[in-house]
Amino acid sequence: DAKTTQPTSMDCAEGRAANLPCNHSTISGNEYVYWYRQIHSQGPQYIIHGLKNNETNEMASLIITEDRKSSTLILPHATLRDTAVYYCIVRVGNTDKLIFGTGTRLQVFP
Amino acid sequence: GAVVSQHPSWVICKSGTSVKIECRSLDFQATTMFWYRQFPKQSLMLMATSNEGSKATYEQGVEKDKFLINHASLTLSTLTVTSAHPEDSSFYICSARGEGRTDTQYFGPGTRLTVL
Repeated sequence: DAKTTQPTSMDCAEGRAANLPCNHSTISGNEYVYWYRQIHSQGPQYIIHGLKNNETNEMASLIITEDRKSSTLILPHATLRDTAVYYCIVRVGNTDKLIFGTGTRLQVFP
Repeated sequence: GAVVSQHPSWVICKSGTSVKIECRSLDFQATTMFWYRQFPKQSLMLMATSNEGSKATYEQGVEKDKFLINHASLTLSTLTVTSAHPEDSSFYICSARGEGRTDTQYFGPGTRLTVL
């Protein structure tokens, strides 16, 4: 199973871009990188996922390095409501399981 | 995005009783559903994977006779915590995935179980 490494916590000023890094050096060629976030006492919310190419949607952008060993989630204009724990997950092979790590606690401040 | 609901959102029960938690996919058919448990200040831990019409696959260390999972339709899965004890108190979260290898898992809002 590919494992991910994320910083424990990060701070970001409101209105600025939040860049959340993730290392997944043992990822296999057919494994996707998923990002979810969890606001306190709620179920995780899907943000974005990708395989090789960079991806963008209405919530965020996902930048995956060419060797696929790391990625960065970008929230272009962070708001106070973006304060949450962000999980970078590599979906396990062909089992479709998502194994959650400890994530990054992002605190957006005014 | 797809919507997944859970019922109840919270439940308090006495030790020794059984509790059933429902997970529904509201606007898509879920061929696979997953059940997670989360203790305070910890990450989510996968308990089991269930496919519609077949027996659930449990993760190592999860007692299948204690946590009964039924996935009888493409929109409903249930988790029954049998003979609940205080150590079973936790936040239980389900997720659902539609057809297709790359389909995303969407999570329910979670159910807070407190066993007295």
